[in-house]
Amino acid sequence: EAQVTQNPRYLITVTGKKLTVTCSQNMNHEYMSWYRQDPGLGLRQIYYSMNVEVTDKGDVPEGYKVSRKEKRNFPLILESPSPNQTSLYFCASSFADLSYEQYFGPGTRLTVT
Amino acid sequence: EDKVVQSPLSLVVHEGDTVTLNCSYEVTNFRSLLWYKQEKKAPTFLFMLTSSGIEKKSGRLSSILDKKELSSILNITATQTGDSAIYLCAVLGAQKLVFGQGTRLTINP
Repeated sequence: EAQVTQNPRYLITVTGKKLTVTCSQNMNHEYMSWYRQDPGLGLRQIYYSMNVEVTDKGDVPEGYKVSRKEKRNFPLILESPSPNQTSLYFCASSFADLSYEQYFGPGTRLTVT
Repeated sequence: EDKVVQSPLSLVVHEGDTVTLNCSYEVTNFRSLLWYKQEKKAPTFLFMLTSSGIEKKSGRLSSILDKKELSSILNITATQTGDSAIYLCAVLGAQKLVFGQGTRLTINP
């Protein structure tokens, strides 16, 4: 089944403790992206990747890192999480770029205390 | 600054009613407008509208793009409880996709 998977689905952590949220797609998509969703603000793009080893900042990249060593994986790294990074995070992928339909993962609910 | 605004933010109707959701935008170098449905978690794609495809229909759902007014509407006819969801509008500009806040639609039996 074609899908985007994320892990973990839920995470509660403390300020400053490094964490990684994994994202994997099995559709051989070139483009992958991370979003965060906050009430009243909609979805905002954190980082995106057009291809392996090519990543770029989205609208809200501060406090996040990403890497794209393999086509299928695009992990999101929070080196030193803070409470303002408490949010619902989505990974998404598309065939080539944003002009194609994006497929979203199931989301990761992160709480930083 | 690029902006997408949806209205209303929340809407409650009875099953069988017809609803119209609105999306207006100010986005540089418009390329396309997308509608997504978000039920429990992940958004799922509904429609993509472009300059060459300003009207789309799928069953009870339809959408129109008005490039002159910089807006779009999403119509749902004969609503069902399964249509309850958050509906997201997003506009693709030169380099990025800008999302609106979403409209929370609740269909009561």
